[in-house]
Amino acid sequence: GQQLNQSPQSMFIQEGEDVSMNCTSSSIFNTWLWYKQDPGEGPVLLIALYKAGELTSNGRLTAQFGITRKDSFLNISASIPSDVGIYFCAGQGVTSGTYKYIFGTGTRLKVLA
Amino acid sequence: DGGITQSPKYLFRKEGQNVTLSCEQNLNHDAMYWYRQDPGQGLRLIYYSQIVNDFQKGDIAEGYSVSREKKESFPLTVTSAQKNPTAFYLCASSSRAGLYNEQFFGPGTRLTVL
Repeated sequence: GQQLNQSPQSMFIQEGEDVSMNCTSSSIFNTWLWYKQDPGEGPVLLIALYKAGELTSNGRLTAQFGITRKDSFLNISASIPSDVGIYFCAGQGVTSGTYKYIFGTGTRLKVLA
Repeated sequence: DGGITQSPKYLFRKEGQNVTLSCEQNLNHDAMYWYRQDPGQGLRLIYYSQIVNDFQKGDIAEGYSVSREKKESFPLTVTSAQKNPTAFYLCASSSRAGLYNEQFFGPGTRLTVL
């Protein structure tokens, strides 16, 4: 099945640094979701985006719905050790079928204290 | 507490056996989904159900079966026909199928075939 390109695949950062990651697709999406997954657990929804250009924050997290509707970005400010985990994007649009999301392969984040 | 529960957390199966993974939600959601997660890959859709007594195949349905007899329950059976069943299985739900609906996930079941 179709998948999103998510980058970077992994990143090591120092505590206190800002983090940026993105997802790109060849298809236009109507909705973007961002999740965080801890090892052995289910993904937890962080932010949902529904409109091109939309910028939404959740605490230290900020996500944007790209103007082209083919990409989305997630930023984490002032990272802390508990930010460690895998961050997934998911996109949904008419071309993906109205019933399902397409998921990125994840960005693995490690924070060095 | 409202949410999605999956059981068991860990499941071991011998080759040739069928096993059933449980998924229950008390969010009053119409739509439910099953995904498979393998290392280094995005989630892949196995089956989904938009409403009670209805379900459709996803991208990788071969070797799996589901039922949706109650709104809150969507069990997944991994049959002996599934050639590589060892994986992490995630159940999700959304208020309804269609655009602009957020999906929420359960804690997952890790299945290992011995």
